[in-house]
Amino acid sequence: SQQGEEDPQALSIQEGENATMNCSYKTSINNLQWYRQNSGRGLVHLILIRSNEREKHSGRLRVTLDTSKKSSSLLITASRAADTASYFCATALLAGANNLFFGTGTRLTVIP
Amino acid sequence: EAGVVQSPRYKIIEKKQPVAFWCNPISGHNTLYWYLQNLGQGPELLIRYENEEAVDDSQLPKDRFSAERLKGVDSTLKIQPAELGDSAVYLCASSRGLANTGELFFGEGSRLTVL
Repeated sequence: SQQGEEDPQALSIQEGENATMNCSYKTSINNLQWYRQNSGRGLVHLILIRSNEREKHSGRLRVTLDTSKKSSSLLITASRAADTASYFCATALLAGANNLFFGTGTRLTVIP
Repeated sequence: EAGVVQSPRYKIIEKKQPVAFWCNPISGHNTLYWYLQNLGQGPELLIRYENEEAVDDSQLPKDRFSAERLKGVDSTLKIQPAELGDSAVYLCASSRGLANTGELFFGEGSRLTVL
């Protein structure tokens, strides 16, 4: 079973707008990561946030983590048509196993 | 550096036939993962290797699936016999080390269609 769930499942915005995706997970984590997947391609790592961090930035990406609510959000600012893809959160659990568990994904469409 | 290489990219077979997927991880990456991704879903872990040892294969359907990572480098995932429900994308990923799961590097995937 998958550890995380993203919300919304699908998001459609105009180019230039901001896109926010949310991720909720079930058990305590070591870190949480966000990945991007273009249609028919493999996943590409975007950003990693550790359990003792609350916010992290990378270019137009901003990730927040609230461990008390077991949730994270990914904000993409000033979106571009090239940002159209599926976005997945993935959790590395605190206890044992060096595995990464993926959520169900948010499909983002940026309209030019 | 070269990325994770998978082959074949696409495979169409009849049900009950065998199929094998091959993965070459990034050089120096000790950890190798096989994930299964159904359409519209996130990847689900099948098996994880640390060097040549399968340290987590709890989600691998062992009645028909098998995997190996000889010499701790390349890996092969086999399905025999394939069923209709095995149609999916099989993703291979690798990472640098054992301590605290960090970034995974994914291949492009092998898309299997079982008719």
